[in-house]
Amino acid sequence: EAGVTQFPSHSVIEKGQTVTLRCDPISGHDNLYWYRRVMGKEIKFLLHFVKESKQDESGMPNNRFLAERTGGTYSTLKVQPAELEDSGVYFCASSQSSGVGEQYFGPGTRLTVT
Amino acid sequence: AQSVTQLGSHVSVSEGALVLLRCNYSSSVPPYLFWYVQYPNQGLQLLLKYTSAATLVKGINGFEAEFKKSETSFHLTKPSAHMSDAAEYFCAVASYSGNTPLVFGKGTRLSVIA
Repeated sequence: EAGVTQFPSHSVIEKGQTVTLRCDPISGHDNLYWYRRVMGKEIKFLLHFVKESKQDESGMPNNRFLAERTGGTYSTLKVQPAELEDSGVYFCASSQSSGVGEQYFGPGTRLTVT
Repeated sequence: AQSVTQLGSHVSVSEGALVLLRCNYSSSVPPYLFWYVQYPNQGLQLLLKYTSAATLVKGINGFEAEFKKSETSFHLTKPSAHMSDAAEYFCAVASYSGNTPLVFGKGTRLSVIA
């Protein structure tokens, strides 16, 4: 069974540009999460989808961040326009609705804004 | 609000020595607790989880953790460190189930010296 995949693995963009990150969860997982780790800080929650609906987006830093999960499958996270402080590693995780709901993480996308 | 404190951002042990990584949590509701490990250039992998059953939890790769409610702790241990254990370890807390956002500690980087 394929795990959570993320694309791209690395992205280097200039301040003011737009970047779109993609996450493909484990097949059949209704829950999809985005997290971010800024260098030297803890991993922080951004938002949570249940199928195609945003369950909780309390961690989104501002309106430059837009997440979508059309059709309840893969998700995208767009940053527009990017700022220097957006640099970090963006993790995606997915979980089943039943049971404990342990979250399975992707390898992350390292975003560098210069 | 929930929070996690991991004591020591970097721990160094000799090969064959005991590994002890400390985690204390704060939660106003019964917590679910997790330890994740991140090897270089990989995503987060679940080591073990506490979900209100047995207080001593065994995980993969010989790791275990004990939930102590009176001490609000969930320390991770391994009797004998191996070189392959060198990685960054994260303690995380969630409320009620795993299908809520995880709150992470800052992580502890474990080095194993030959």
